[in-house]
Amino acid sequence: GQQVMQIPQYQHVQEGEDFTTYCNSSTTLSNIQWYKQRPGGHPVFLIQLVKSGEVKKQKRLTFQFGEAKKNSSLHITATQTTDVGTYFCAGFTGTASKLTFGTGTRLQVTL
Amino acid sequence: DTGVSQDPRHKITKRGQNVTFRCDPISEHNRLYWYRQTLGQGPEFLTYFQNEAQLEKSRLLSDRFSAERPKGSFSTLEIQRTEQGDSAMYLCASSPSTGKAFFGQGTRLTVV
Repeated sequence: GQQVMQIPQYQHVQEGEDFTTYCNSSTTLSNIQWYKQRPGGHPVFLIQLVKSGEVKKQKRLTFQFGEAKKNSSLHITATQTTDVGTYFCAGFTGTASKLTFGTGTRLQVTL
Repeated sequence: DTGVSQDPRHKITKRGQNVTFRCDPISEHNRLYWYRQTLGQGPEFLTYFQNEAQLEKSRLLSDRFSAERPKGSFSTLEIQRTEQGDSAMYLCASSPSTGKAFFGQGTRLTVV
């Protein structure tokens, strides 16, 4: 079955440093979504990418969808303590498919 | 509140008992998902519905798990003969087809 892996599993940065998480799917995705889950909370939608090679920005966050539509990345510039949480990618393999989540990357930011 | 709601928020049960959870999705969303999440892991897919039709059920799910969405609105997830390994957070999410998913707060199940 489809597998979605993320690396790293965990990253600890000082506030102001950059952070990147990478997402790799075993199968081609029709689109990819990113979610953030704060400690004790539930996943909250951040963004959806649909086109091959697509890049989207949300303030300090930059999302990329790979050319082959099998990988994606999330980059945070100048992290802040409010960025703490676990970031998940999730994707569909087709319109009739389920939403499969990645393994997640937990980000810890300290002053 | 027009978000996804789940009930109960917490459930403690003895091993061997049956439990049932309810999810009320956002009303215009035709898709409804159930996921299970344990500490430090990502949401693990259990099953999903398109309106009232259950389109897929995880092969990892034993026959003790069953879900329904009788009128394409709310959904229930039942676990029969609970085991300690069933202890987890059970998350429900709804979405308009392959659009963004909105999650409920989850039901935390503890089997003692």
